[in-house]
Amino acid sequence: DTGVSQDPRHKITKRGQNVTFRCDPISEHNRLYWYRQTLGQGPEFLTYFQNEAQLEKSRLLSDRFSAERPKGSFSTLEIQRTEQGDSAMYLCASSSTSAVPGLALVNEQFFGPGTRLTVL
Amino acid sequence: GQNIDQPTEMTATEGAIVQINCTYQTSGFNGLFWYQQHAGEAPTFLSYNVLDGLEEKGRFSSFLSRSKGYSYLLLKELQMKDSASYLCAVRPSSNTGKLIFGQGTTLQVKP
Repeated sequence: DTGVSQDPRHKITKRGQNVTFRCDPISEHNRLYWYRQTLGQGPEFLTYFQNEAQLEKSRLLSDRFSAERPKGSFSTLEIQRTEQGDSAMYLCASSSTSAVPGLALVNEQFFGPGTRLTVL
Repeated sequence: GQNIDQPTEMTATEGAIVQINCTYQTSGFNGLFWYQQHAGEAPTFLSYNVLDGLEEKGRFSSFLSRSKGYSYLLLKELQMKDSASYLCAVRPSSNTGKLIFGQGTTLQVKP
């Protein structure tokens, strides 16, 4: 496993269309996160899964956004009725929750290359 | 609310030392992370602090003071390839794992 992968890498769509992105995490990681990043800003948390359960969703997230992780492996993020303000880089990350005895729980997140969305 | 502040831009000279500061005010604290992000690429993990003090990893060190809500990333012997954005992020809870990021500090290393 070479890391987190995302597909597509780039997506251009017209306002009002629906788009779906896919993320494949590192295989042994049970947590999967979605973030959004705009130019000059840090990533903004959208939602996260532990296995197949969606445990948290940002209050800033419109109901046009939905995410799934049906089998606890890959995840999809769908945006319905896209708006120009949705244009951003959508980043996926994964982490484990396993503890190493005697060590602090770092559980750093590993990021994928992102999907750059442009809404015209 | 959640607030993480870091300078927007910094410039330094090749071979020098640079310190990037980060202050945070969050509803909880379960660790502070530093990530490096080259333009057009994904963030990559640099360091983690959960207890007060200094963590050293080669040319990179990170410091944390929880009472002051303050951290810094120290980069020594700067190289041109260190030109990137440096992101400070706080994990507010061990239960969630989500990270709250600052806006990032763009570091330009000049010859």
